[in-house]
Amino acid sequence: DAGVIQSPRHEVTEMGQEVTLRCKPISGHNSLFWYRQTMMRGLELLIYFNNNVPIDDSGMPEDRFSAKMPNASFSTLKIQPSEPRDSAVYFCASSLGEGRAFFGQGTRLTVV
Amino acid sequence: GENVEQHPSTLSVQEGDSAVIKCTYSDSASNYFPWYKQELGKRPQLIIDIRSNVGEKKDQRIAVTLNKTAKHFSLHITETQPEDSAVYFCAATVFHDMRFGAGTRLTVKP
Repeated sequence: DAGVIQSPRHEVTEMGQEVTLRCKPISGHNSLFWYRQTMMRGLELLIYFNNNVPIDDSGMPEDRFSAKMPNASFSTLKIQPSEPRDSAVYFCASSLGEGRAFFGQGTRLTVV
Repeated sequence: GENVEQHPSTLSVQEGDSAVIKCTYSDSASNYFPWYKQELGKRPQLIIDIRSNVGEKKDQRIAVTLNKTAKHFSLHITETQPEDSAVYFCAATVFHDMRFGAGTRLTVKP
């Protein structure tokens, strides 16, 4: 298994542009998490899905952020419009039930 | 939601010494407590975990203890080596909701 796969690895975009981050969880895992990591705020849980259904999106900072999981093998996190303060590393992680969660390599987002 | 506090934020030890990192959590329903190690520029990697029905777990040089009554858990690294230098995160999980502590930057001096 290739593990959790995220794309792109790096994204540089201009303020106001739409950004879409992608994640493919480990096959067979039924929980998927999106985290944001910054020096100031550490690892923040943005949203998590169980069996493709969003369970808790209270960590999503604003309406500019949205996440979808159309099927068990794919999820997206979209920021529209993007702002410089959205610059961070975004991690996707997946787990089987309440078991061990494994992280993708992350997407480093820079909004200029 | 769950609130996890982690101490210390930085820890420096001499090679061969032990290191201890402590975490507390707020939600008594939390039942799964993983620890992650993150090296610079890399993803967090699971190093050990413990469930609420167990008080202690050990894997070679690392061990984790859990006190459910006091709602705190700790990571112990013995015989530290320079390659143990990294940021360590604790987490507490309620159902599928996993919340992280702020992290501890461990430096092991050779």
